[in-house]
Amino acid sequence: DTGVSQNPRHKITKRGQNVTFRCDPISEHNRLYWYRQTLGQGPEFLTYFQNEAQLEKSRLLSDRFSAERPKGSFSTLEIQRTEQGDSAMYLCASSHTKTGYNSPLHFGNGTRLTVT
Amino acid sequence: AQSVTQLGSHVSVSEGALVLLRCNYSSSVPPYLFWYVQYPNQGLQLLLKYTTGATLVKGINGFEAEFKKSETSFHLTKPSAHMSDAAEYFCAVSDETGNTPLVFGKGTRLSVIA
Repeated sequence: DTGVSQNPRHKITKRGQNVTFRCDPISEHNRLYWYRQTLGQGPEFLTYFQNEAQLEKSRLLSDRFSAERPKGSFSTLEIQRTEQGDSAMYLCASSHTKTGYNSPLHFGNGTRLTVT
Repeated sequence: AQSVTQLGSHVSVSEGALVLLRCNYSSSVPPYLFWYVQYPNQGLQLLLKYTTGATLVKGINGFEAEFKKSETSFHLTKPSAHMSDAAEYFCAVSDETGNTPLVFGKGTRLSVIA
């Protein structure tokens, strides 16, 4: 169990640029979640996958955000035309439903995005 | 819709004192409840969870929480605080199906004073 890996750890970009983050879940975990966390707030749900299928997207996820999980392994989260309000920590988590649909989430260390 | 409210964004205790972090939930169906801890520059780690059965749940690092349906609460306690307990603590709720993503509270920052 190598844990959930997120890259990059930090990303600084200028407003209007596109950015892409990657998440590698724990091997064999079939569920993968993306959350966003801003200062002084708890994580806010963005979207989640079961295998390669995207099962739910939050209303927070504007059309500038897109997530994929090809082949049900790693996932990418892309933000197009970034805005300063997108500055946040983006967290990825994974779990496996074989231990129950409420099996605990294992979180990565996050990608901190700063939009200047 | 489910939600959790964490009372107190910042709690400060002396080393060796009781830790009490409050969480109240709102759920129209039987909830599953979790406490996570986040150390600086790290991801969230599970402390403990309540699903069904025993209402007093023991977790890692000496923490425990009690599910009280009548009070819609799931407060986190530890008898004796240690300096290493200083971190951000998040309460979270899901429904019994597990198909609803976890909803987190805003968090409580715990400071431990020597």
